[in-house]
Amino acid sequence: QVQLVESGGGVVQPGGSLRLSCEVSGFTFSTYHMHWVRQAPGKGLEWVALILNDGSNAYYAESVQGRFTVSRDNSKSTLHLQLSTLRVEDTATYYCAKAKGWFLRDYLEYWGQGTLVTVSS
Amino acid sequence: QSVLTQPPSASGTPGQRVTISCSGSGSNIGFDNINWYQLLPGTAPKLLIYNNSHRPSGVPDRFSGSKSGTSASLAISGLQSEDEADYFCAAWNDGRNHWVFGGGTKLTVL
Repeated sequence: QVQLVESGGGVVQPGGSLRLSCEVSGFTFSTYHMHWVRQAPGKGLEWVALILNDGSNAYYAESVQGRFTVSRDNSKSTLHLQLSTLRVEDTATYYCAKAKGWFLRDYLEYWGQGTLVTVSS
Repeated sequence: QSVLTQPPSASGTPGQRVTISCSGSGSNIGFDNINWYQLLPGTAPKLLIYNNSHRPSGVPDRFSGSKSGTSASLAISGLQSEDEADYFCAAWNDGRNHWVFGGGTKLTVL
């Protein structure tokens, strides 16, 4: 069955960096676009980034543009999110999610359980 | 402030029917499909409804979705205690190449 497992969360100081990973199994990773979505404590879901199946292009929310970088290693079925210049407001649970198909607008089909990032001094 | 607007809370008693609304604009709900997710604490978000009204395999037919213009609704009939969760709507936002979500609705089963 499809599984997505995030890791790499933790506590980091404002201005710091962190790298999140998402290991997937149960489907051909290189075929599908992948997303990162986050949820701040007590808040709603916020889409963060989308990377195409072949890693050729990526799209970002305005709130993280220029600070976060999404990448993928199709040989290892792993998705990454590099978080830099972190702010207190980046504190959230970060989820990776698999897109249904090959279009940017295809819905997010399967999600991981998330990894918590806390930005605090 | 979320792009899609949902009521922050909803409630019902076991067996009742409840609906959760999601309001957007011509750039998102009015342009493309709406999808609904269920979020239980400590678990992975679960796809409930995709492309406005379709249920993935395994989702009970108590859950249904609809869309009209720039608004959408999730209906849950025969409410059960295990339906107590947070529910989010999501849509593609055209022109900006990104996805938008609602702020979420916390459903309480009384």
